[in-house]
Amino acid sequence: EPEVTQTPSHQVTQMGQEVILRCVPISNHLYFYWYRQILGQKVEFLVSFYNNEISEKSEIFDDQFSVERPDGSNFTLKIRSTKLEDSAMYFCASRTGGGTDTQYFGPGTRLTVL
Amino acid sequence: GNSVTQMEGPVTLSEEAFLTINCTYTATGYPSLFWYVQYPGEGLQLLLKATKADDKGSNKGFEATYRKETTSFHLEKGSVQVSDSAVYFCALSDRGGSNYKLTFGKGTLLTVNP
Repeated sequence: EPEVTQTPSHQVTQMGQEVILRCVPISNHLYFYWYRQILGQKVEFLVSFYNNEISEKSEIFDDQFSVERPDGSNFTLKIRSTKLEDSAMYFCASRTGGGTDTQYFGPGTRLTVL
Repeated sequence: GNSVTQMEGPVTLSEEAFLTINCTYTATGYPSLFWYVQYPGEGLQLLLKATKADDKGSNKGFEATYRKETTSFHLEKGSVQVSDSAVYFCALSDRGGSNYKLTFGKGTLLTVNP
């Protein structure tokens, strides 16, 4: 069964460094998402992406964040200058579109900012 | 805005006990409702969904009924197993736009003891 994959599973970085989190959505899916979960808190929506552009973003998704689909299979989340409060589990999700609202999630990347 | 409130955990049960995890929601439109499950070390997996009032979603012995009058989507299982130990997330999908972003509850940790 097709699944969403994410790499790395765990990323440790120093404050102020740039990180790129990678996702490979399910191949025939058209809508892509990033969510994050700070330890002990809710899973929060960050951004949605369709047709090579951001379709919606939350107030969390400030100028330090960017997303890209560089090659038709990968979907990346970049944090330009990480802060301590960016430490969280980051989930990628995708869905087919056409009115189908079920999203399929990857296993997540745990980001630790020191 | 949209929000989901679910029962605070952790919930600890013995094998074969009855499970209820309460979930209520607030939504501006007419959302779809979901339960996702996260097994230890894994990503979010769709457990079941319902898209309209009085629909019952079911999977692996779990059930939840979309109750518009009480804005609830409680998860139930008649006889839990040790393998059901996981974190359960209630979520809604905002169908007002085209993005269908998910709004999650905080998650409920279930531990089933043999």
